[in-house]
Amino acid sequence: EVQLLDSGGGLVQPGGSLRLSCAASGFTFANYAMSWVRQAPGKGLEWVSAISGSASGTYYADSVKGRFTISRDNSKNTLYLQMNSLRAEDTAIYYCAKGLGGYHTGWGGAFDYWGQGTLVSVSS
Amino acid sequence: EIVLTQSPGTLSLSPGERGTLSCRASQSVSSSYLAWYQQKPGQAPRLLIYGASSRATGIPDRFSGSGSGTDFTLSISRLEPEDFAVYYCQQFGSSPWTFGQGTKVEIK
Repeated sequence: EVQLLDSGGGLVQPGGSLRLSCAASGFTFANYAMSWVRQAPGKGLEWVSAISGSASGTYYADSVKGRFTISRDNSKNTLYLQMNSLRAEDTAIYYCAKGLGGYHTGWGGAFDYWGQGTLVSVSS
Repeated sequence: EIVLTQSPGTLSLSPGERGTLSCRASQSVSSSYLAWYQQKPGQAPRLLIYGASSRATGIPDRFSGSGSGTDFTLSISRLEPEDFAVYYCQQFGSSPWTFGQGTKVEIK
């Protein structure tokens, strides 16, 4: 059974940093693209970042480029999101999401499994 | 960036009725890299349809997707009580990947 367990959220002051983790199990982690998708309170979904299975390629939304870094440790089946210079508008539930395939298959951007989400609140 | 516009914003229907949800893209979505998700309150989204018309694993056949280019449709043939939720379309053919703003299907 595929499982994704998000963690690492919390309350942080503007300008602060936070690192999210997503522990994956039930599939061959290195074979799939992984992404982070966020949802501000009461709002819709926003894709944040993606990483290829081998970690050779990383991709970001303009809203987080230069501030967030996605990475993965395939030996630990874990996905990460390092978030720096956090702003109030980054407040959201952050979900890790598994791609339907590898990034370069084209199907990495459809998300067939999601974590339960972890809440990031940026406030003074 | 491809902007996806979903309509209507809210769809009020009764159980057993048919629901038709629209997703229009500002540019052509390449290779039909278009997906639909369902989200219920307090839950993560669930993949329903990918490739514009392929049902994801375990999705009932009352859900169907169609369309190409810039116009896509999600149809629910006979609404069950568990189908009342918010539905999002998403394109992943062009970076950045983008979602529509959502259509809420509510009980009439």
